[in-house]
Parts: sequence; structure tokens; C-alpha cells
Amino acid sequence: DAGVIQSPRHEVTEMGQEVTLRCKPISGHNSLFWYRQTMMRGLELLIYFNNNVPIDDSGMPEDRFSAKMPNASFSTLKIQPSEPRDSAVYFCASSPSRDTQYFGPGTRLTVL
Amino acid sequence: DQQVKQNSPSLSVQEGRISILNCDYTNSMFDYFLWYKKYPAEGPTFLISISSIKDKNEDGRFTVFLNKSAKHLSLHIVPSQPGDSAVYFCARHQTGANNLFFGTGTRLTVIP
Repeated sequence: DAGVIQSPRHEVTEMGQEVTLRCKPISGHNSLFWYRQTMMRGLELLIYFNNNVPIDDSGMPEDRFSAKMPNASFSTLKIQPSEPRDSAVYFCASSPSRDTQYFGPGTRLTVL
Repeated sequence: DQQVKQNSPSLSVQEGRISILNCDYTNSMFDYFLWYKKYPAEGPTFLISISSIKDKNEDGRFTVFLNKSAKHLSLHIVPSQPGDSAVYFCARHQTGANNLFFGTGTRLTVIP
């Protein structure tokens, strides 16, 4: 199994631009999570889906952030417009029900 | 609200000695705690967990201790090896939900 796949691995963009991060979970896992890692706050849960349905999006910082999961094998996290304070590493993780979460390699986002 | 706290951002240990990583929590509603290990440019990987009904769980060189009265858990690595150098996150699995709350991490450096 290839594990959780995230793309791109690195993204550099200018303030005000739209950014889309992509995730392919492990086949058969029915929960998907988006996290953001910063030095100050560590790993923060942004949103998670169960069977493609958003369950808890209370961690999404503001309306500039949105996430979708159109099917069981794909999810996106979009930031529009992006700001320098959004610079962080964004991780996607998937899980078979209530079991351990498996993380992707992350996307390092830099907003100039 | 930082529900899981790792107060030591870094720890250095000599190879062969014991590494002790600590984690404190504030909310008593949990199913279990987990420890994740993260190497640079990779996503966190699951290391070991402990359920709320236990006070100790051991897996090879790794042992996790849970002190519910003190709301404290610790990860012991014995003996420490240079390959253990990584950032370690503790995480709380919320009762009745499917999400994890992570601490800010402790960077362990094992000196050869």
C-alpha cells in the first residue's frame, strides 16, 4: 500500500492567491483528517470526515479555509485568499474507523 | 484550549541511556492516549498507545505510563538509540469521537 498521498509536497505562493492541497487516503479507510503543524501550536486538527461527510470543522481557522471530500479516495483543502500567517505544514491522515491514524508526508506551504 | 501539554520542547540523551518524554492533560474524558514519532520531512507515525483502563503498556524498548490522578503520562525509551532522534507527539483520543488532540511535541536528540 502506498500510504496516504499528499500533493504538492511544497507550495510557495503570494499573498492573496488561492491554494489547493490534495490528499488521497489509504484505500478502505473511512475517516480522513486535515491537520496544520506550527511551532507554536503543534498539530492542530482543522477538519475531519467520516464516510466522506464532514463531522467536525471547528478547527478551521476562518472562512478562507474550506475542505471537500467528493469521494472516498480524494479530499482537498483550499485557502482563498491565502495570507502569510497560513504558512505551515499541512498534514492529511486517514483511519479505518476509530483506529490509529496514518499520516501523509505533509505539504509545506509558504505564503509570501 | 491546549488539552494536551508537552512542556519540554527538547530533550538530549546519551545513547544507551533512558529517554523520558512527558505529557500532561486537562480533560479526563478520553479513551486512550497515543504517542507518535515524526522524522523531518515525514508525517507522524504511530508508536504506542495506552487505554484509560491501564497504567502501563510496553512494546519492546518503549513503555508508556499513565498516572490518572496526576493527569500525566510519560514515554520511556530504554535503551535510547541515535535512530530514536525525532519529534515525539502525545495525543488524546476523545471519548465518543474519532479525532485526536495533539501536544506541541518534544524533540529528542540521542547523542552517539
